[in-house]
Amino acid sequence: AQTVTQSQPEMSVQEAETVTLSCTYDTSESDYYLFWYKQPPSRQMILVIRQEAYKQQNATENRFSVNFQKAAKSFSLKISDSQLGDAAMYFCAYRSAYTGNQFYFGTGTSLTVIP
Amino acid sequence: KAGVTQTPRYLIKTRGQQVTLSCSPISGHRSVSWYQQTPGQGLQFLFEYFSETQRNKGNFPGRFSGRQFSNSRSEMNVSTLELGDSALYLCASSLQGADVETQYFGPGTRLLVL
Repeated sequence: AQTVTQSQPEMSVQEAETVTLSCTYDTSESDYYLFWYKQPPSRQMILVIRQEAYKQQNATENRFSVNFQKAAKSFSLKISDSQLGDAAMYFCAYRSAYTGNQFYFGTGTSLTVIP
Repeated sequence: KAGVTQTPRYLIKTRGQQVTLSCSPISGHRSVSWYQQTPGQGLQFLFEYFSETQRNKGNFPGRFSGRQFSNSRSEMNVSTLELGDSALYLCASSLQGADVETQYFGPGTRLLVL
């Protein structure tokens, strides 16, 4: 099975600053999808950004962008101009293009935003 | 559109009992997936249902089962509860479960087994 590793259990950032969350994954597949999900204290998971492995261009969504390094199997999330509402648990997730709608999640990074 | 809803939100059971959790997907969504979230193991995939059929299954014992109804609502059942089953159970829905689709998660059901 694929594994997803988030090596930073906790991170903090000053409001308006930039922070990068790390994620690495292990797979032998060539086609897959990667995601970052946000889980605020209310517990509803929200999709932040997604990346298709066949696309070389890094995905961006407003203040959120990724650095996708396929050869290194690395998928980091950069949050620019951090806001208090960005405080949450962030999960990196992997979905195979071959084995159906099954996501593999990392253990999460708890992000604190300091006013 | 209403989001994914899960009932009940909180549940307390004792060892040996069984429990049924319910998930109502977003209207029009036919794929429903279930995940178990614990501090130690993180989020782990339980199973996925599509058109009333289990399409994918994670690595959980047979005590964990589910079903999906014709209106796409799904239930998850855990029999002979163990202390280790205490967790947040999340369900997620998408249109077809295809790779280009976004999964939408519900707020979860927090199960405590005493």
